[in-house]
Amino acid sequence: KQEVTQIPAALSVPEGENLVLNCSFTDSAIYNLQWFRQDPGKGLTSLLLIQSSQREQTSGRLNASLDKSSGRSTLYIAASQPGDSATYLCAVSLSGSARQLTFGSGTQLTVLP
Amino acid sequence: SQTIHQWPATLVQPVGSPLSLECTVEGTSNPNLYWYRQAAGRGLQLLFYSVGIGQISSEVPQNLSASRPQDRQFILSSKKLLLSDSGFYLCAWLLTDTQYFGPGTRLTVL
Repeated sequence: KQEVTQIPAALSVPEGENLVLNCSFTDSAIYNLQWFRQDPGKGLTSLLLIQSSQREQTSGRLNASLDKSSGRSTLYIAASQPGDSATYLCAVSLSGSARQLTFGSGTQLTVLP
Repeated sequence: SQTIHQWPATLVQPVGSPLSLECTVEGTSNPNLYWYRQAAGRGLQLLFYSVGIGQISSEVPQNLSASRPQDRQFILSSKKLLLSDSGFYLCAWLLTDTQYFGPGTRLTVL
């Protein structure tokens, strides 16, 4: 059974810092990996999708990497801002038409002004 | 463009009462649809998914059921709610490998 772990559970940084969020998964036979952002009481916003054949994806100040063989992904946030404060979730999907996602428990990020 | 709707946004129900949560998607046809639950202090758990009308797969045994009466409509139901059914329920759909989520329904069972 696939298990996804995110470290740290919570992180507090001053504005302007670069930071890295970690995600690990136990079964490397994934189809893809997604990073999401969740604001309190809200749904999930998709940030980045990395296919299993890819090594990284970038969107603005966000860069996600994937090392499938070691079961690890990182989300790098450059020049953090208070508006980046949220919970960040990673999820992996299986092959097959259903594409079910297995989620980590998330990292709660607070960027202090 | 594609959008996903969920209602109601919040719901407070007594134990033993029935439940019906609705999710609809606009701007696409025959999407994969998903129901997730996020309980307090726990991660997101996949409850049901559907790859087409009338096709429902359950991921965990529970007090809930799902139905897909129309192509872009996904319903989550229960005949008798339990306290443990409280949580944040999220509907999602799949577009070219990316799952997109609705705004969610906050359910409190008292």
